[in-house]
Amino acid sequence: QSALTQPRSVSGSPGQSVTISCTGTSSDVGGYNYVSWYQQHPGKAPKLMIYDVSKRPSGVPDRFSGSKSGNTASLTISGLQAEDEADYYCCSYPVFGGGTKLTVL
Amino acid sequence: QVQLVQSGAEVKKPGASVKVSCKVSGYTLTELSMHWVRQAPGKGLEWMGGFDPEDGETIYAQKFQGRVTMTEDTSTDTAYMELSSLRSEDTAVYYCATYYRYYFDYWGQGTLVTVSS
Repeated sequence: QSALTQPRSVSGSPGQSVTISCTGTSSDVGGYNYVSWYQQHPGKAPKLMIYDVSKRPSGVPDRFSGSKSGNTASLTISGLQAEDEADYYCCSYPVFGGGTKLTVL
Repeated sequence: QVQLVQSGAEVKKPGASVKVSCKVSGYTLTELSMHWVRQAPGKGLEWMGGFDPEDGETIYAQKFQGRVTMTEDTSTDTAYMELSSLRSEDTAVYYCATYYRYYFDYWGQGTLVTVSS
C-alpha cells in the first residue's frame, strides 16, 4: 500500500481557515469512512484530532473539522491560532499520509 | 483515561535486536488493542503492526514480517515490540498506540532507537 498524498506544507494567518488534503484511492480513502487525522507538535507524540472522516474526540476544539469527497479527505482548521502550528497526518488504516507542516504566519 | 508509558531510549549496533516496552494504566491491556507506529528522523508515521481484535491475532506490516515480534504481558499490563536484525534505517522513534475501529486514540510518549556502529 502506498502512502496517502498530502501537501508538504500549508500556511495561514491567525483567524483564517486552512484546509489540508489527503488523497488516496478507492481502495483506501475512497472505499471506507475510516479516515483519521493526527496533530503532532515537535518532539511530541501524535494526537488524534478527527476519526471516522468527520468525528471529533472529546476535548478537540470544534475549529477542527473533517470531510471527504471521492478519494480525497480534508482537514479544515478555522479561526487559526498560534498553537495550531504543527505537523498533521491523515490515516486510512493502516496507511498514513506523508504529513503536512502547518505554519501560522 | 488510558496512559501509555514507554521504556527509555536505546542505542544498538547493526544486526542487534531491540525490545521496547509500553506500560498501560487506566485500563487493562486485555481491554485494549495495542499497535506500534514508528517515525524516522524528519519523516512521517509508519504503521508496524498490532493486535487485530476482529481476528484475535497480531498482524504485521509486510515490510517488517519476519523481523518484528509484538507480545503482551497481561499480568503487568505491558506490551512489547521487538525488532531484530537492526540496520541504520531502523533509527526512529517508536510509538505504542491503542487502536479502536480503524484509528489510534491514545499514544505513548515514544522511544528513540538509534542504530549505529
